[in-house]
Amino acid sequence: ETGVTQTPRHLVMGMTNKKSLKCEQHLGHNAMYWYKQSAKKPLELMFVYNFKEQTENNSVPSRFSPECPNSSHLFLHLHTLQPEDSALYLCASSQDVLDTQYFGPGTRLTVL
Amino acid sequence: EDKVVQSPLSLVVHEGDTVTLNCSYEVTNFRSLLWYKQEKKAPTFLFMLTSSGIEKKSGRLSSILDKKELSSILNITATQTGDSAIYLCAVAGSGRRALTFGSGTRLQVQP
Repeated sequence: ETGVTQTPRHLVMGMTNKKSLKCEQHLGHNAMYWYKQSAKKPLELMFVYNFKEQTENNSVPSRFSPECPNSSHLFLHLHTLQPEDSALYLCASSQDVLDTQYFGPGTRLTVL
Repeated sequence: EDKVVQSPLSLVVHEGDTVTLNCSYEVTNFRSLLWYKQEKKAPTFLFMLTSSGIEKKSGRLSSILDKKELSSILNITATQTGDSAIYLCAVAGSGRRALTFGSGTRLQVQP
């Protein structure tokens, strides 16, 4: 257990569905991240939040919409996804940006 | 653009062997290099390296950074089947606000 939890652990959705991924950290960290890991590709950074403010958006399509209501919670809202969006979505947190990141267990997303 | 390259991409060894995994990087204003182990799902943190030439050890794993060569190695001695995983190298620099990951080395340890 790293102190970072993610729900759900598995999600299957159709292309017209709307769903949300949730991440919570119990470490008192100030920075939180969303990553995407597809098969045979390096980890891809999607979004960075520092003190609840989004500081980085790596050209992520608008069908992915992050939300950070406070330093402990991070959401990723999903709508009208494509099958190629199927991947493992990992949340991480760190004391500050560039500090060691601790990862959650991930959500395995399948888009049909 | 920050870049991290790991080699080899894949490695198969037998239990008891010693392995060396490599990571080289190009990054704006290097701050730190991190090694992670990824088994079935999320990466788990192994080492954080900031100073050149100082070895970090944890059991059978050790790692060292060479800032002159812009590289790091991760050594695993007396490998066990439980060491089978993807080993990820990541680098933090000021060119990006977060880490740049390499593609990983997939290590398979056979009994």
